[in-house]
Amino acid sequence: DTAVSQTPKYLVTQMGNDKSIKCEQNLGHDTMYWYKQDSKKFLKIMFSYNNKELIINETVPNRFSPKSPDKAHLNLHINSLELGDSAVYFCASSQGKGGYTFGSGTRLTVV
Amino acid sequence: DQQVKQNSPSLSVQEGRISILNCDYTNSMFDYFLWYKKYPAEGPTFLISISSIKDKNEDGRFTVFLNKSAKHLSLHIVPSQPGDSAVYFCAASAGSNSGYALNFGKGTSLLVTP
Repeated sequence: DTAVSQTPKYLVTQMGNDKSIKCEQNLGHDTMYWYKQDSKKFLKIMFSYNNKELIINETVPNRFSPKSPDKAHLNLHINSLELGDSAVYFCASSQGKGGYTFGSGTRLTVV
Repeated sequence: DQQVKQNSPSLSVQEGRISILNCDYTNSMFDYFLWYKKYPAEGPTFLISISSIKDKNEDGRFTVFLNKSAKHLSLHIVPSQPGDSAVYFCAASAGSNSGYALNFGKGTSLLVTP
């Protein structure tokens, strides 16, 4: 039973399209995150949500909009996709600083 | 502005020997440090952590050492096994003040040869 699951695992789309990545955690954690791993393999925080409320928004373009319908879900919607958005996106959850668990990643390729 | 640095992109060690992976940080607000292991096409997997009030934490073959004055931590794996071959990420958190976000280093690729 996967603790943090995200779908899809792979996503290939054309420039200008709008796409969503879904994330669900069954660990009962209060905080969920989105991280981006760029072409240089550098993992960087994008958003942090605590109990459905946005805590961190790290200089991410407005085209990226996270949505948390409940504390077990944090989806990422991306509008008007650009070539530079190609990366691997990881969802994660934690209970405070403990139990930090990552999903298996979504590889987004914009062509 | 990278606050967590892993200056060795790769490391090769013989099976049975000790692997030492190093990490430096610049932000004195960091109070919790973690090591993650990552295989290709998978998410990072938690290995071991240490709070800033400690200088050592051990879990089986894995030991993390923290030197706060030097803003340096290291991960020791002994004995190293071929299955340990992966990319290892050092991460640091400033706690609730930063929403528990993790700041990652760029990773060290460890290869354990038979």
